[in-house]
Amino acid sequence: AQRVTQPEKLLSVFKGAPVELKCNYSYSGSPELFWYVQYSRQRLQLLLRHISRESIKGFTADLNKGETSFHLKKPFAQEEDSAMYYCALSSAGGTSYGKLTFGQGTILTVHP
Amino acid sequence: DAGVIQSPRHEVTEMGQEVTLRCKPISGHNSLFWYRQTMMRGLELLIYFNNNVPIDDSGMPEDRFSAKMPNASFSTLKIQPSEPRDSAVYFCASVLRNEQFFGPGTRLTVL
Repeated sequence: AQRVTQPEKLLSVFKGAPVELKCNYSYSGSPELFWYVQYSRQRLQLLLRHISRESIKGFTADLNKGETSFHLKKPFAQEEDSAMYYCALSSAGGTSYGKLTFGQGTILTVHP
Repeated sequence: DAGVIQSPRHEVTEMGQEVTLRCKPISGHNSLFWYRQTMMRGLELLIYFNNNVPIDDSGMPEDRFSAKMPNASFSTLKIQPSEPRDSAVYFCASVLRNEQFFGPGTRLTVL
């Protein structure tokens, strides 16, 4: 069974501080990992996916298969980064139809 | 492209009333997902379709909930009768190349 765990429901940092949102997964096959972000009262939108290996809005995430983790990092947090962040997993290929298993989400608050 | 469209954006109703939520996916996307979001439970998958066919409805909480996708450009989620515990934000999302594109959501309040 697929499972995504985000151990922190709430995370607070000050502007300019580094931030790391943790995500661990369990899946027996070859996963595809995503981070989605939801700003206040807005729709969820894709922030980044591990296969693209790019930095979006200063955020990066590396898939660590040994630790089964996909932590989201940013070296210098900004107030506009305050949002809900969801880690999600999809089985690569097969007949998943794009189904995602979401973690419980982490609310990030960046204080001025 | 306007993206995934949902209507209404807000719905306030009284307990026992029927509620119908609507979703128009992005043209060309083959899969459609319905989610419910609450503070307590986070994001819950209710049901999803592929090529208009329901694939998995195991997340639908009760028989009061039903969903249809009569064609590739329209889906509905119906709650009959509604209860206060159904109050939540309901999202639909359509999929292209494993990426889900979400609608703006419908904020449902059942009094």
